[in-house]
Amino acid sequence: SQQGEEDPQALSIQEGENATMNCSYKTSINNLQWYRQNSGRGLVHLILIRSNEREKHSGRLRVTLDTSKKSSSLLITASRAADTASYFCEISGGYQKVTFGIGTKLQVIP
Amino acid sequence: DVKVTQSSRYLVKRTGEKVFLECVQDMDHENMFWYRQDPGLGLRLIYFSYDVKMKEKGDIPEGYSVSREKKERFSLILESASTNQTSMYLCASRGLRAEAFFGQGTRLTVV
Repeated sequence: SQQGEEDPQALSIQEGENATMNCSYKTSINNLQWYRQNSGRGLVHLILIRSNEREKHSGRLRVTLDTSKKSSSLLITASRAADTASYFCEISGGYQKVTFGIGTKLQVIP
Repeated sequence: DVKVTQSSRYLVKRTGEKVFLECVQDMDHENMFWYRQDPGLGLRLIYFSYDVKMKEKGDIPEGYSVSREKKERFSLILESASTNQTSMYLCASRGLRAEAFFGQGTRLTVV
């Protein structure tokens, strides 16, 4: 099955700093999505970027997509303690299956 | 504003019991999914369904079955629960818009 691989697996930063996490994949995609998961809860959708887009913003979130390198990055600016969570990317290639990687565990230290 | 509801947040069952995990969505989505999540392994797809009475195996279907008699309801069944099925179970649904909506998760412990 097609799935993205998040990197790094864990990230610890101070409040106010920016956090960057990456997602790599192997085959062609229609779009790529990022989700957040707070501890012990379900995933919540953050942002979708289509294969013909290079950058997208939503509040403090900035997502980039480089289809030539088959990679995406999620940048969270001015991080807050409430951003502490795991972050997952999801690759959509027109498949009905929806699969995820292991995720990036972000800790924001107050 | 709840869209995907899982029947239990926490569940404790005995080895050998038949276990039903229920998931209901109110968004009229065609596609529904069941995952399990274990530390260090991420979310692994157990089964999914793209229509009523249709089901497809995911990556780890062994030991599980599913039922989708109505569009809004997707049930995960553990025919004979075992301790290695202790995990967090997550249900999700997705329509044409591609965004997946998740339930709050069920933490199942098999003793």
